[in-house]
Amino acid sequence: GAGVSQSPSNKVTEKGKDVELRCDPISGHTALYWYRQRLGQGLEFLIYFQGNSAPDKSGLPSDRFSAERTGESVSTLTIQRTQQEDSAVYLCASSSIRRDYGYTFGSGTRLTVV
Amino acid sequence: DAKTTQPNSMESNEEEPVHLPCNHSTISGTDYIHWYRQLPSQGPEYVIHGLTSNVNNRMASLAIAEDRKSSTLILHRATLRDAAVYYCILRRAGGSYIPTFGRGTSLIVHP
Repeated sequence: GAGVSQSPSNKVTEKGKDVELRCDPISGHTALYWYRQRLGQGLEFLIYFQGNSAPDKSGLPSDRFSAERTGESVSTLTIQRTQQEDSAVYLCASSSIRRDYGYTFGSGTRLTVV
Repeated sequence: DAKTTQPNSMESNEEEPVHLPCNHSTISGTDYIHWYRQLPSQGPEYVIHGLTSNVNNRMASLAIAEDRKSSTLILHRATLRDAAVYYCILRRAGGSYIPTFGRGTSLIVHP
């Protein structure tokens, strides 16, 4: 597609429920990143996928968070047993691995846990 | 560590030039300097990047210091739509590199 697509754009969930967020990267982009952005804060790295390599999960804040990506296609970020502190905008970005190439971000999923 | 330092906020008047600084004193010789901006309620968008030479595109200009330890994003004529958070990051070689976005510079544009 023309850009990085994220769905849903907004999600309100009850505390304790599981949520699944989706990212559809630009075709051909081997690298995919998930970030979390709390209100008024910078981007907090969560997880990175590069082609068929094992993902870098070093940014996941707890074992309630997990993500999958099949090959170089769609990725899903799953948050189990959501807590109020999980409320944030979750951003996905994709890129070529070339360092002279930019990152393309989606518009994000705004998650509100009530 | 590929860390950058930017002022928390800057203000400008509409139709005036804006110079947004970024320090990256630990830059290595092969790091590219990238700038992104984030408009309200949107994801960051690419603005410009460079390695050693100054760069111009339709959105902005990038001036890179001779020692590459700092750079400046230049908006030639600020508009109200340029009000955003601007991020300066380094893009390092290697497939495992993860870009770090700090809090950036919040640009306020006055009419």
